Amino acid sequence: NAGVTQTPKFRVLKTGQSMTLLCAQDMNHEYMYWYRQDPGMGLRLIHYSVGEGTTAKGEVPDGYNVSRLKKQNFLLGLESAAPSQTSVYFCASSYIGPSGGRNIQYFGAGTRLSVL
Amino acid sequence: GIQVEQSPPDLILQEGANSTLRCNFSDSVNNLQWFHQNPWGQLINLFYIPSGTKQNGRLSATTVATERYSLLYISSSQTTDSGVYFCAVGGYGGSQGNLIFGKGTKLSVKP
Repeated sequence: NAGVTQTPKFRVLKTGQSMTLLCAQDMNHEYMYWYRQDPGMGLRLIHYSVGEGTTAKGEVPDGYNVSRLKKQNFLLGLESAAPSQTSVYFCASSYIGPSGGRNIQYFGAGTRLSVL
Repeated sequence: GIQVEQSPPDLILQEGANSTLRCNFSDSVNNLQWFHQNPWGQLINLFYIPSGTKQNGRLSATTVATERYSLLYISSSQTTDSGVYFCAVGGYGGSQGNLIFGKGTKLSVKP
């Protein structure tokens, strides 16, 4: 049981390059999330999805795009990377709780991205 | 949006000591989770506890939703407890259901 898997684990980009981070979950969860974590900070939500084919903006969405074409996958794209996007990126997923609300979130191992 | 404050920001303990970490939040919540981020960066869910008390081994947590705070207790601490502990809360409905993270408490347990 893999849970939430993120690829790649590490990446170095030059300013202006593009890349896609892949998140895959095998728990049949409806909800998926992308966060970034900067030094001394908690996690901040970039984008999220409440189901296949749907996405929504979180707290810090600028400079990122996402897609959820399949229920198990959630992709995070950087079209033109900037040094301010140097961070650790976490993906998470959760199922719908008994009352229809969010429930426990399960996290991937993270992707460490450096933009030079 | 909901504000989350954790205290203390840093904590150094001798192995075997007990500790209490606090999380205050500014509005009603229907989701509250405690996470441990180990020194390798992995985030592990410790408790889902929007209200009440739960225990898991040496760890326990209590959330008093009416007074808008949660406490995480660590007893007989071990060096493997080191890392950062995050509290995250979610409000009611729509995007308010997304988790808002505090800045964490960094715990160092010395042998």
